[in-house]
Amino acid sequence: EVQLVQSGAEVKKPGDSLKISCEGSGYKFDNFWIGWVRQMPGKGLEWMGIIYPSDSKTRYNPSFQGQVTISVDKSISTTYLQWTSLKASDTATYYCASPQGFWGQGALVTVSS
Amino acid sequence: DMQVTQSPSSLSASVGDRVTISCRTSQSIITYLNWFQQKPGRAPKLLISAASNLQTGVPSRFSGSGSGAEFTLTISSLQPEDSATYYCLETYSSPPYTFGQGTKLEIK
Repeated sequence: EVQLVQSGAEVKKPGDSLKISCEGSGYKFDNFWIGWVRQMPGKGLEWMGIIYPSDSKTRYNPSFQGQVTISVDKSISTTYLQWTSLKASDTATYYCASPQGFWGQGALVTVSS
Repeated sequence: DMQVTQSPSSLSASVGDRVTISCRTSQSIITYLNWFQQKPGRAPKLLISAASNLQTGVPSRFSGSGSGAEFTLTISSLQPEDSATYYCLETYSSPPYTFGQGTKLEIK
């Protein structure tokens, strides 16, 4: 059974850094694109970027380029989404997802002073 | 850049009604389109892949059709548990891909 299991909810202050994770299992992790989707409160889904674990090739939605970093550690079948300086507007639920239709459970990130 | 236009943004229908949701893309995507259902507080769930392939376990009242740049999700007989937001996702362009804006379906 394919599973994507994400790290838990986070509460941070503006300016903090953060790295959230998503571990895949039940499939050949290296050979499938996996990405991150943002859902702001009450809003729709936005694909932020995507990474190919085998060679770490990464592509970003232009709206998120330079704002976040997507990385992978294929030795532990885990992808990461990272911020160096969070803003209140980063408050959202973040999902890892594959284009084939598998989703993590989501991680709520709250940024508030 | 690929544009995906989903309509309507919301609709209200009664149990037993036939409901259709549309997605239009700015260029042909052949049949590289998936449909998702999202209920509040939950991750999206894949209903249909490749425009018309119903996923295992999804009720047969759901169907997808279309090719090229126009696609439709149909619920043949609406049930109370179908209240949700529905999204289309194109997977033809270079990743990352583009979602439709979503359709919030309410049961009258």
